[in-house]
Amino acid sequence: DGGITQSPKYLFRKEGQNVTLSCEQNLNHDAMYWYRQDPGQGLRLIYYSQIVNDFQKGDIAEGYSVSREKKESFPLTVTSAQKNPTAFYLCASSGERWGGNQPQHFGDGTRLSIL
Amino acid sequence: AQTVTQSQPEMSVQEAETVTLSCTYDTSENNYYLFWYKQPPSRQMILVIRQEAYKQQNATENRFSVNFQKAAKSFSLKISDSQLGDTAMYFCAFMNQRNAGGTSYGKLTFGQGTILTVHP
Repeated sequence: DGGITQSPKYLFRKEGQNVTLSCEQNLNHDAMYWYRQDPGQGLRLIYYSQIVNDFQKGDIAEGYSVSREKKESFPLTVTSAQKNPTAFYLCASSGERWGGNQPQHFGDGTRLSIL
Repeated sequence: AQTVTQSQPEMSVQEAETVTLSCTYDTSENNYYLFWYKQPPSRQMILVIRQEAYKQQNATENRFSVNFQKAAKSFSLKISDSQLGDTAMYFCAFMNQRNAGGTSYGKLTFGQGTILTVHP
């Protein structure tokens, strides 16, 4: 079945460490997104990519980095510069670039905690 | 910048009854899309319903319907015949329509969410 796979489900980070969250989709979608969700709050956009080899900062990009070398993959790296990384991270994809009425499909998320 | 406000942090309803969740938004755009997403305890985000701003007719999906008031910038979700499986956090979200030269298209802006509990 087509869908979005995020891994790992749970991740722990030590102080000063970079960690990478994986997001893979087999929906043949052009656009992919990373969101952060803090307890009891809505989702905030970290980075998004409308096409391979291109990505844009979202509202809270500081301390994060991404790459989009393949259409199906959009990994997110949480760097040591992100001082408060504990959150639930959701990856999404959409079949239409630049907006449109195609809804975003979400993965099951990765919960990141600090050791 | 667009903002989305959900003024009800928590709501509860008895099984089989009807509940309405509120959402207001602020934008200077004329063409956009609105969505309601459901996030059950499993944390997966599930699309419930969507509305194109250029359509006057309110969207309906089985037991879910919206009341879209464009002038008032209001987009409420009505759940009829509530079921225990409807218990979840509900998010209202806004997306700009494609706009040449713009930078915000394709981005979803979410409200803070409303926790809905359906009681047996």
